Amino acid sequence: SAVISQKPSRDICQRGTSLTIQCQVDSQVTMMFWYRQQPGQSLTLIATANQGSEATYESGFVIDKFPISRPNLTFSTLTVSNMSPEDSSIYLCSVEEQGYEQYFGPGTRLTVT
Amino acid sequence: GDSVTQMEGPVTLSEEAFLTINCTYTATGYPSLFWYVQYPGEGLQLLLKATKADDKGSNKGFEATYRKETTSFHLEKGSVQVSDSAVYFCALRTGTGGFKTIFGAGTRLFVKA
Repeated sequence: SAVISQKPSRDICQRGTSLTIQCQVDSQVTMMFWYRQQPGQSLTLIATANQGSEATYESGFVIDKFPISRPNLTFSTLTVSNMSPEDSSIYLCSVEEQGYEQYFGPGTRLTVT
Repeated sequence: GDSVTQMEGPVTLSEEAFLTINCTYTATGYPSLFWYVQYPGEGLQLLLKATKADDKGSNKGFEATYRKETTSFHLEKGSVQVSDSAVYFCALRTGTGGFKTIFGAGTRLFVKA
């Protein structure tokens, strides 16, 4: 199974600023996903990032707010732009392997003040 | 659209009690079904899966059977331990309507010694 790391693990940011979260996978994967998880809540899919194509965003999420890069098959970034306190959450990246199993990174805990 | 419904928590049990967490789904086509677990302070990890009707997934003493006739995938364990305290997420993955996994709301389990 894939091993996924994320950086930073946590951050405290001021409103109006931007934060870029990195996701690194130890093997080449086609599909990567970015989720948001509010404390005690389920996962909300932000977007699907496939290498070589534009990310596909879910309803309620837009590229200007959450730009995503996917430069190769082992790396992706998610930027949270012009942050507000409502963006405080845990951000998770995941990959999908054969059999549709998902493997998740440890998450980035973001607090916006 | 596709969806997953889980029983609400929290569920509180004594050690060695029998556990059932109900999960039902709505999907077009023939989804793969999963249970993921999130232990306190940790990321999500795959617990078990089933890919077709009547399949039984099992891991760490947990089991779930893919019931197409009742569109269910209930999680069971015969004797829970304190270390099973976690949040459990039921999920489905279809190949239609977008290539993504849909998660239930999660059910928090507390096991008392």
